[in-house]
Amino acid sequence: QLQLQESGPGLVKPSETLSLTCTVSGGSISSSSYYWGWIRQPPGKGLEWIGSIYYSGSTYYNPSLKSRVTISVDTSKNQFSLKLSSVTAADTAVYYCARHRLTVTTPIDYWGQGTLVTVSS
Amino acid sequence: DIVMTQSPDSLAVSLGERATINCKSSQSVLYSSNNKNYLAWYQQKPGQPPKLLIYWASTRESGVPDRFSGSGSGTDFTLTISSLQAEDVAVYYCQQYYSTPHFGQGTRLEIK
Repeated sequence: QLQLQESGPGLVKPSETLSLTCTVSGGSISSSSYYWGWIRQPPGKGLEWIGSIYYSGSTYYNPSLKSRVTISVDTSKNQFSLKLSSVTAADTAVYYCARHRLTVTTPIDYWGQGTLVTVSS
Repeated sequence: DIVMTQSPDSLAVSLGERATINCKSSQSVLYSSNNKNYLAWYQQKPGQPPKLLIYWASTRESGVPDRFSGSGSGTDFTLTISSLQAEDVAVYYCQQYYSTPHFGQGTRLEIK
């Protein structure tokens, strides 16, 4: 059974860079034609897709966040990562890592449990 | 960007009754070359990640009870729960994956 687990600091200071890692188990991140992505959800609010990556390193980003987002992949560790720069309180959210069924233009069929990141001094 | 708008924002339905949630896209999400609607529905219970219920607008994900159904095409879509069960209390989101993935704002479903 595929499992995804987010990890990283739960508290980030304003103007700094948020960094999270998603560890995939129960399957290889590079063995099949899946895109792997990040989605966030501010407390009590809706879902926002941040971006997604293929094991080769090909990325797609939400245009509204593109200038601040970097998603990378480490196939040797079966992980992919998110960096969001110049954070503000508006970036406080539960961050989910997830898998697209195939490409970015397919539904998201596996989700991690999510990790809350709070932006505060 | 294709923006998704759901209605209503919240809904209260009696156990055993039908629940209907609507989702409208700002542009068509029907891809003419394969005649598929790039639209999914998710269920999110408190403290849990979303769960995929329906994709291609009307295809039920494996393991999803058949009381859940999706319909619609182009820009207007509906999620129907034919007979509401207590465990269906959740927030439901539609999502288009035709272009930059975008979710609706969510519809909170409660028991009346």
